[in-house]
Amino acid sequence: EDQVTQSPEALRLQEGESSSLNCSYTVSGLRGLFWYRQDPGKGPEFLFTLYSAGEEKEKERLKATLTKKESFLHITAPKPEDSATYLCAVDDRGNQFYFGTGTSLTVIP
Amino acid sequence: DAGVTQSPTHLIKTRGQHVTLRCSPISGHKSVSWYQQVLGQGPQFIFQYYEKEERGRGNFPDRFSARQFPNYSSELNVNALLLGDSALYLCASSLGGAPGNTIYFGEGSWLTVV
Repeated sequence: EDQVTQSPEALRLQEGESSSLNCSYTVSGLRGLFWYRQDPGKGPEFLFTLYSAGEEKEKERLKATLTKKESFLHITAPKPEDSATYLCAVDDRGNQFYFGTGTSLTVIP
Repeated sequence: DAGVTQSPTHLIKTRGQHVTLRCSPISGHKSVSWYQQVLGQGPQFIFQYYEKEERGRGNFPDRFSARQFPNYSSELNVNALLLGDSALYLCASSLGGAPGNTIYFGEGSWLTVV
């Protein structure tokens, strides 16, 4: 059965303290790995799509990387406005995404 | 450009009642998916529709049904509501139904069953 596991469940960082979020997955055939940001009470906001091992994408303070077994979301010098839940999802059949339970990030000023 | 729009944003229903949730996709997108998100969990897949045809169904009971209209908007219907159906219902759209297409979410409909 396809599975997506995210760690840690929660992460507290001081402003400017860089760190990484992990997403490990087991799927029969990866068609895409996706990162989303979700603020409380809102729908998930798209961040990145990765398709093959070795691929990297960057946006402002965020950088996503992909290997054959896992993906990392690196956050460089985070700011309080980066506080949110970060969700990882995989698409293996093209008709449904499997999501992890997310990492709740809090950045303290 | 308008993103995915959902209505209503919040609603309260009584056990046993029926609910209809509505979704308009991003202009030009032909695929719509529905997800259920309970507090503290990631979204769980319910349905995907592409060109008005059901392309996928998640592990949900037959009380859940959906359809897509010629203008690509969609409805999610839930019959005989249970307390456990209380959740955020998310609609997402994508350009097509092919694997690897990015899906974009709306803000969701908060359903509370009492």
